[in-house]
Amino acid sequence: AQSVTQLGSHVSVSEGALVLLRCNYSSSVPPYLFWYVQYPNQGLQLLLKYTTGATLVKGINGFEAEFKKSETSFHLTKPSAHMSDAAEYFCAVLKTSYDKVIFGPGTSLSVIP
Amino acid sequence: GAVVSQHPSWVICKSGTSVKIECRSLDFQATTMFWYRQFPKQSLMLMATSNEGSKATYEQGVEKDKFLINHASLTLSTLTVTSAHPEDSSFYICSARWRGGAEAFFGQGTRLTVV
Repeated sequence: AQSVTQLGSHVSVSEGALVLLRCNYSSSVPPYLFWYVQYPNQGLQLLLKYTTGATLVKGINGFEAEFKKSETSFHLTKPSAHMSDAAEYFCAVLKTSYDKVIFGPGTSLSVIP
Repeated sequence: GAVVSQHPSWVICKSGTSVKIECRSLDFQATTMFWYRQFPKQSLMLMATSNEGSKATYEQGVEKDKFLINHASLTLSTLTVTSAHPEDSSFYICSARWRGGAEAFFGQGTRLTVV
């Protein structure tokens, strides 16, 4: 069975500092990988996704993530945190396009002025 | 990107009544729709998967008779919480995918409060 782990349920960074949110997955085959952001009382917005091809994926709002098959990781980064980045972030994995999405437990990001 | 509209965004109902939540794909045909439940400070828990024209597939532990899901068309799925109780209060989110698509698009969510 697939699973997704996110190290750190809560991460705090200073405004302007590097953001690093960790995601590891378990899958028997290379999966599709996603990062979503959720603001309070809202649905999920896709930040970026990896399907095939280049392992470094760039998304919206300056975020990017790198698929590392050998480490089964898909960590999310942003060079400089902004106050508006404070939100809940979910990593998700999909084994095939006909499968269901499995979400990680989420990481709450706080940005300190 | 594709848009999924969920309505209502919030609803308060009395215990024992039923509540219907709609999920619409506005600019694509959603062959598969998913319904999630999210408790505060927690991740999304998949409740059921529905394919257009077929009965929904419920996850283990989800009561089929309590959470009725209908996916009658390629643009609309509904979740009806029957005989709602305070413990059903939660944030419900739908998502939709087109045939063969890897990405799922999410609705804005519905905050249900049962009093």
